[in-house]
Amino acid sequence: EDKVVQSPLSLVVHEGDTVTLNCSYEVTNFRSLLWYKQEKKAPTFLFMLTSSGIEKKSGRLSSILDKKELSSILNITATQTGDSAIYLCAVDNYGQNFVFGPGTRLSVLP
Amino acid sequence: NAGVTQTPKFQVLKTGQSMTLQCAQDMNHNSMYWYRQDPGMGLRLIYYSASEGTTDKGEVPNGYNVSRLNKREFSLRLESAAPSQTSVYFCASSEVGGSYGYTFGSGTRLTVV
Repeated sequence: EDKVVQSPLSLVVHEGDTVTLNCSYEVTNFRSLLWYKQEKKAPTFLFMLTSSGIEKKSGRLSSILDKKELSSILNITATQTGDSAIYLCAVDNYGQNFVFGPGTRLSVLP
Repeated sequence: NAGVTQTPKFQVLKTGQSMTLQCAQDMNHNSMYWYRQDPGMGLRLIYYSASEGTTDKGEVPNGYNVSRLNKREFSLRLESAAPSQTSVYFCASSEVGGSYGYTFGSGTRLTVV
């Protein structure tokens, strides 16, 4: 059974801290890994990663995929209170849908 | 605004009542999905429709039915609601196979008492 695991499940930091969120997966066939940010409502797309070792960046957020280790990390530098959210990792396994992890709930305190 | 529209946003049902959650997308996507989200369990797929005219069960289909009315619309029906169906429901759409990720609706918070 395909599975996506995220760690930690919950994290509390202070503004200005740097955080690293982890995602690991076990899937039969791997096409891509996606990161989403979910605040109060719908998840919003952050990154799609398909190639190992290539970092995707958007402002203070960056992500990299390690296909050998079947994992990905999402880094957030100089965190702000607006970064407080649930961060979801999902894997496209060439199936008809994505497999989602349980999410990491990040709380950034002022 | 283009995207995925879900209705209603909130609903309270009594055990045994029925209801239909509506979803429509205007991005000409082929694939549509219904997920439920529960604390600590992430998003779990209920049903999906890879293309107009087809529907398939996901991870947690029991107690639900779906209809892909046309390319734009994909509805989720609870025939006899149970407290275990208290959850937040998300509709999503994507290109075939989701190769460009999903676009999610804003969610329906359903409480069954």
